[in-house]
Amino acid sequence: DAGVTQSPTHLIKTRGQQVTLRCSPKSGHDTVSWYQQALGQGPQFIFQYYEEEERQRGNFPDRFSGHQYPNYSSELNVNALLLGDSALYLCASSFTWDYTFGSGTRLTVV
Amino acid sequence: GNSVTQMEGPVTLSEEAFLTINCTYTATGHPSLFWYVQYPGEGLQLLLKATKADDKGSNKGFEATYRKETTSFHLEKGSVQVSDSAVYFCALNYGGSQGNLIFGKGTKLSVKP
Repeated sequence: DAGVTQSPTHLIKTRGQQVTLRCSPKSGHDTVSWYQQALGQGPQFIFQYYEEEERQRGNFPDRFSGHQYPNYSSELNVNALLLGDSALYLCASSFTWDYTFGSGTRLTVV
Repeated sequence: GNSVTQMEGPVTLSEEAFLTINCTYTATGHPSLFWYVQYPGEGLQLLLKATKADDKGSNKGFEATYRKETTSFHLEKGSVQVSDSAVYFCALNYGGSQGNLIFGKGTKLSVKP
């Protein structure tokens, strides 16, 4: 049974560019959440998608946006990249109390 | 607001030593509490959880008890192994899959042979 799959695993972008990160949830999971983990810090909640709608949002600017597709897969988009956006981006899918994380996408902004 | 505070790391222990990582939380209502582990280059894995006061979560020799009176959820293991070297995160959540997790900053554990 495949868990949560994220792509790409690593990415290098230039300041001001835009990036799209992708997540395929665990089979049977209908909710996808995204987290940003800066180096040496705990993950910070960005937003959560359910039934193709953003259900909750953390304290992140509008440059961070997302989408969920009918097959429950999700994308995280970040516009106008800043150096401070460099982090590990984690996707988590869930159903009731089963909350499973992917291995993340390491984004470096130069 | 809701928050989680963990003891600062890094923690370095010898193999077979006793481990305690302290975690306290601030929250309204009755959150569920979790410990996650992150091995180098990987995502987060759920280690254990407790959903109500006085519950004890346990897994792979690790234990933590939900103490409402002290707002704590300390992680313990009687005898650590080299393979336990990782970063440990304490977290809280409301509402199961509908809620979001609030994490502490993490505690890095290194176990020496």
